[in-house]
Amino acid sequence: TQLLEQSPQFLSIQEGENLTVYCNSSSVFSSLQWYRQEPGEGPVLLVTVVTGGEVKKLKRLTFQFGDARKDSSLHITAAQPGDTGLYLCAGVESWGKLQFGAGTQVVVTP
Amino acid sequence: GAVVSQHPSRVICKSGTSVKIECRSLDFQATTMFWYRQFPKKSLMLMATSNEGSKATYEQGVEKDKFLINHASLTLSTLTVTSAHPEDSSFYICSAPQHTGELFFGEGSRLTVL
Repeated sequence: TQLLEQSPQFLSIQEGENLTVYCNSSSVFSSLQWYRQEPGEGPVLLVTVVTGGEVKKLKRLTFQFGDARKDSSLHITAAQPGDTGLYLCAGVESWGKLQFGAGTQVVVTP
Repeated sequence: GAVVSQHPSRVICKSGTSVKIECRSLDFQATTMFWYRQFPKKSLMLMATSNEGSKATYEQGVEKDKFLINHASLTLSTLTVTSAHPEDSSFYICSAPQHTGELFFGEGSRLTVL
């Protein structure tokens, strides 16, 4: 079983600050996805990274995929209260089958 | 766009009873669906892969007789929690990949067993 570790588990910051969430795998995935989940709802896909060294930007969110395709990071610039949520990385094992990391709970206070 | 819907969104049942949760792909066919379980403030744990026309594939440690999965049609998979106990209380989420590979998650179903 491939393991995905996320750090930190919990992050509380003030509005306007930056934050980074890390996702590290014990082995290589074909691709890796980042999700955000709010309480009582299903996870919502933010991005899929496929190529080693890839960097994707989604407004204030920057996603990086390590050269060896075993680690990834999510960086949020100038966080806003609306960024509050559970951030999950997930390795794609096969057709639709995901291995999720433990998640990082982010709280952004005004 | 493609949507995956779960029903019910919330269910409360007595210990010892069985509960059925439905997962439907609303505008696409899904030969495969996935069922996850999530505890409060924790990540999603894959329980099983639901396969249309054949038996579900369960992950290690998941009781097949406790969590019955039936993929009745190309748009419907059901998860039945049999003889539910309080420790089965959890948030259950399904997902389904479209033929393009894009994956869609349901809204989740919160089960509370008293």
